[in-house]
Amino acid sequence: SSELTQDPAVSVALGQTVRITCQGDSLRSYYASWYQQKPGQAPVLVIYGKNNRPSGIPDRVSGSSSGNTASLTITGAQAEDEADYHCNSRDSSGDHVVFGGGTKLTVL
Amino acid sequence: QVQLQESGPGLVKPSQTLSLTCTVSGGSISSGGYYWSWIRQHPGKGLEWIGYIYYSGSTYYNPSLKSRVAISVDTSKNQFSLKLNSVTAADTAMYYCARESCSGGSCYVDYWGQGTLVTVSS
Repeated sequence: SSELTQDPAVSVALGQTVRITCQGDSLRSYYASWYQQKPGQAPVLVIYGKNNRPSGIPDRVSGSSSGNTASLTITGAQAEDEADYHCNSRDSSGDHVVFGGGTKLTVL
Repeated sequence: QVQLQESGPGLVKPSQTLSLTCTVSGGSISSGGYYWSWIRQHPGKGLEWIGYIYYSGSTYYNPSLKSRVAISVDTSKNQFSLKLNSVTAADTAMYYCARESCSGGSCYVDYWGQGTLVTVSS
């Protein structure tokens, strides 16, 4: 399969922990990457590889993977974490790129 | 710091060809090791991969767009380009150029252009 599936929307109370998931067969072969996108802005890479954060991404953001499911966890969610989150990986062939449909995170 | 900048018409007529160029600064396309990509986002929707080109000229495209898409590279200008023909209103979207890197079992887009909105309308 070349699809990645995400929940359309997730909410979290301020200061609590939230997990956003991404499912797909290709995730058995490739780690997912995660992107944060705020309104009117280009996406920003927040997690790649097993659990790597680019410079400037806070350590309250982490990634994990099990079987065909990748997860992005935000520990102690802040108001500025409210955004759309997209996952992606290569497909099972390794030649094509696939994206999930995105998850809108609301911080209450 | 690598920077990417899209350029091209913001309005294209139906049935015509959408043409965009991405200018890369702060790094050389011909240095190898990266996949120079086009990604689009329909209004209010998720991200859709269009395709990528390697510095050698090898290309891969989204199967759903493959018959209409061509990506090329001009290493002398440090640019890569997108052509999408026979456009319809369904091709109206924000178009991003981007750099994809691969390492340690993961491929990820580490640099994005700011995006350019292309509207298909007569």
